[in-house]
Amino acid sequence: DAGVIQSPRHEVTEMGQEVTLRCKPISGHNSLFWYRQTMMRGLELLIYFNNNVPIDDSGMPEDRFSAKMPNASFSTLKIQPSEPRDSAVYFCASSPWWGEIRYFGAGTRLSVL
Amino acid sequence: DAKTTQPNSMESNEEEPVHLPCNHSTISGTDYIHWYRQLPSQGPEYVIHGLTSNVNNRMASLAIAEDRKSSTLILHRATLRDAAVYYCIGSYDDKIIFGKGTRLHILP
Repeated sequence: DAGVIQSPRHEVTEMGQEVTLRCKPISGHNSLFWYRQTMMRGLELLIYFNNNVPIDDSGMPEDRFSAKMPNASFSTLKIQPSEPRDSAVYFCASSPWWGEIRYFGAGTRLSVL
Repeated sequence: DAKTTQPNSMESNEEEPVHLPCNHSTISGTDYIHWYRQLPSQGPEYVIHGLTSNVNNRMASLAIAEDRKSSTLILHRATLRDAAVYYCIGSYDDKIIFGKGTRLHILP
């Protein structure tokens, strides 16, 4: 298996623009997680899905952030409008079930100018 | 979830064993102890997890104190590729919360 695939690997955008980050989980995994990592706050869980349904989005910082999982093989994290403080590395992870080992993607490094 | 305490950083010589400590005095009886590590410019990687008994896998060993208030991750023979940030997490459910971890430096 190719593992969790995230795209793009790097994204540079200007403040106010819409940003969409993409994730393809490992085939057969039922749970998908979005994390954000910054120097100041470390790794933060933003939202997670079980069987394509959002279970807990309490970590989503603001209404500017939204996440979807239209099917078992694809998820998006959207920021609209983006702000410089959204600059971070965003990781997607999947696991067979929510309590099991999580497999992380390589991350998307987002820079908002 | 249990609050965990780890040293900010540690050093070890290459090809020697490394013992990474973690305190989790507030851990509940159902909290598993997870260890993940993050190599430079990569996503976190699962290392090992356990509940009460010591655990071994191809990457490491996990020694859990009898009272479960602390645990130690053991890398039996450190290599330069083991240089990473190691996270100890006490969790029962979905809330695997990453702390600041221990940055492990391996000296050649």
